[in-house]
Amino acid sequence: NSKVIQTPRYLVKGQGQKAKMRCIPEKGHPVVFWYQQNKNNEFKFLINFQNQEVLQQIDMTEKRFSAECPSNSPCSLEIQSSEAGDSALYLCASSPPGYEQYFGPGTRLTVL
Amino acid sequence: GDSVTQTEGLVTLTEGLPVMLNCTYQTIYSNPFLFWYVQHLNESPRLLLKSFTDNKRTEHQGFHATLHKSSSSFHLQKSSAQLSDSALYYCALYQGGRALIFGTGTTVSVSP
Repeated sequence: NSKVIQTPRYLVKGQGQKAKMRCIPEKGHPVVFWYQQNKNNEFKFLINFQNQEVLQQIDMTEKRFSAECPSNSPCSLEIQSSEAGDSALYLCASSPPGYEQYFGPGTRLTVL
Repeated sequence: GDSVTQTEGLVTLTEGLPVMLNCTYQTIYSNPFLFWYVQHLNESPRLLLKSFTDNKRTEHQGFHATLHKSSSSFHLQKSSAQLSDSALYYCALYQGGRALIFGTGTTVSVSP
């Protein structure tokens, strides 16, 4: 079973508000991924880190999205100004020195 | 670019019958890594099977799959479906050290 921790499990924001979610990867997993799963259950990769450095990221939706993975602190994903279309399940996954990814429980964001 | 195709959107069957979910992929990499994830309602994806060895069967929790590079396939099978197997199943391709490429998912619904 995955030991990736994500908080909060549920997040409700008004349009234009900031939304921040956190992820603690499983111990010993150097790579962290963020995905967005929309209401149609489609996955969208957002960004990944290895030891605090960004490996790959998409064009983060008009720069409203930002993420970081500081040492000795949880990783975080923040939406500066939430929009209704951002409502989704945000999944954090971590990967051991290998290839499989293990997902946390997710943060379900609802933007009203 | 790389892609994963799952042809069945919904599979409905009776408990005890066999189930097979199709997965084919396209990639420029000669050594692809393929995964099956299962996502139960209101949960996050959980790794079910993984493979990177051609023509070698991999098994877990009654499910099995074999990576066939010649046909770019990684079909998921189970000989006898259980009610608890009702879930969303995703085939995923590991993209050269980075993000997973997910298929569109297959919903499996098992009835008594």
